Amino acid sequence: DADVTQTPRNRITKTGKRIMLECSQTKGHDRMYWYRQDPGLGLRLIYYSFDVKDINKGEISDGYSVSRQAQAKFSLSLESAIPNQTALYFCATSARGPGETQYFGPGTRLLVL
Amino acid sequence: AQSVTQPDIHITVSEGASLELRCNYSYGATPYLFWYVQSPGQGLQLLLKYFSGDTLVQGIKGFEAEFKRSQSSFNLRKPSVHWSDAAEYFCAVGTPLVRGGSTLGRLYFGRGTQLTVWP
Repeated sequence: DADVTQTPRNRITKTGKRIMLECSQTKGHDRMYWYRQDPGLGLRLIYYSFDVKDINKGEISDGYSVSRQAQAKFSLSLESAIPNQTALYFCATSARGPGETQYFGPGTRLLVL
Repeated sequence: AQSVTQPDIHITVSEGASLELRCNYSYGATPYLFWYVQSPGQGLQLLLKYFSGDTLVQGIKGFEAEFKRSQSSFNLRKPSVHWSDAAEYFCAVGTPLVRGGSTLGRLYFGRGTQLTVWP
């Protein structure tokens, strides 16, 4: 079984709809991240959480919110989706410690019409 | 502010040829440096990382990278490319939560280099 899972893997929604992307991990890591990938722009950080009570904005948090329901679960919500939020969304996790590696989920491809 | 530059958007090489993907970073101290690979339809997989010690780092799949402080670079190399290496490659910089500390805060990614391999 995959260590970092994301649901759904693909989603089509309409402008103005609220949607939630979910991430679960079995690696026992404290830290979780949400990234957005757009062609030619690399990955940009939306939100990150160092533990259940520590949530931080990344560089592109406007229009997004997150919820860390448990150590293993970190959800990303688009309260009112807009077309320029069409992208590939990745969840990642890492442990604490020097030089820790981030482990990525398979991604959720979102299309906002 | 921290930043990562991958100057080459797209590189094409023949199978068996050598490969070098460039990465330059901007950061005021010694950073943590990573290379990730993304195959089509897949998430990102770590190839290698540097955070101290020997500046030549060995990774998986026969890749290596060299940290050059004087050039603020962390270029990825492979002596002989295989068709299965075709993918997108991302360089990333990690910065400590506290300046001079060792616990990573977050990663900053470059825009990626797409590698095409000709048979």
